[in-house]
Amino acid sequence: EAGVAQSPRYKIIEKRQSVAFWCNPISGHATLYWYQQILGQGPKLLIQFQNNGVVDDSQLPKDRFSAERLKGVDSTLKIQPAKLEDSAVYLCASSPIWDSNQPQHFGDGTRLSIL
Amino acid sequence: AQRVTQPEKLLSVFKGAPVELKCNYSYSGSPELFWYVQYSRQRLQLLLRHISRESIKGFTADLNKGETSFHLKKPFAQEEDSAMYYCALISGSARQLTFGSGTQLTVLP
Repeated sequence: EAGVAQSPRYKIIEKRQSVAFWCNPISGHATLYWYQQILGQGPKLLIQFQNNGVVDDSQLPKDRFSAERLKGVDSTLKIQPAKLEDSAVYLCASSPIWDSNQPQHFGDGTRLSIL
Repeated sequence: AQRVTQPEKLLSVFKGAPVELKCNYSYSGSPELFWYVQYSRQRLQLLLRHISRESIKGFTADLNKGETSFHLKKPFAQEEDSAMYYCALISGSARQLTFGSGTQLTVLP
């Protein structure tokens, strides 16, 4: 099966600019996750979707971050405006159903650098 | 709140030596724990989970509720085991993964 696809792989922007990331999960996977991984730390969950609905976005900085999964398939994560502390790798993951017995499959991530 | 602690950022062992990557957790409920691995230039992937009680690539991990630990062990390390290892905990009604900060394992020839 094709894996989780993410684009772009790398992005460099200046602070206060906007940026968007795209994720296409594995076909048929209902649950989609966005993680932020700051250098030297483990991934931190930002938002979790079940189909096109939000399951949890408690750790998403909603004043600047937004995410959507309109048709329950691919998803976009946006940052507007970006801050220096947003420099990180943004990982997308998917799983078949909302069940810990189904492992999460991760994409390659988007490495964001803020100048 | 749940927390996963991996005390060692870096760990080096020689090929053929035993290896143990430490993981401690804090969680008020019944824990479900995992080890994820990221090899160089590859994606983060599941290595093993405690409920399966399985051995993957020679690695095992036992959940010790008394010590709140889930250490990853392998009796004879191989060079191909060199990678970043993350311990993770499932928690909450949304069953979210909380990751530790990771341990970079280097197996020397």
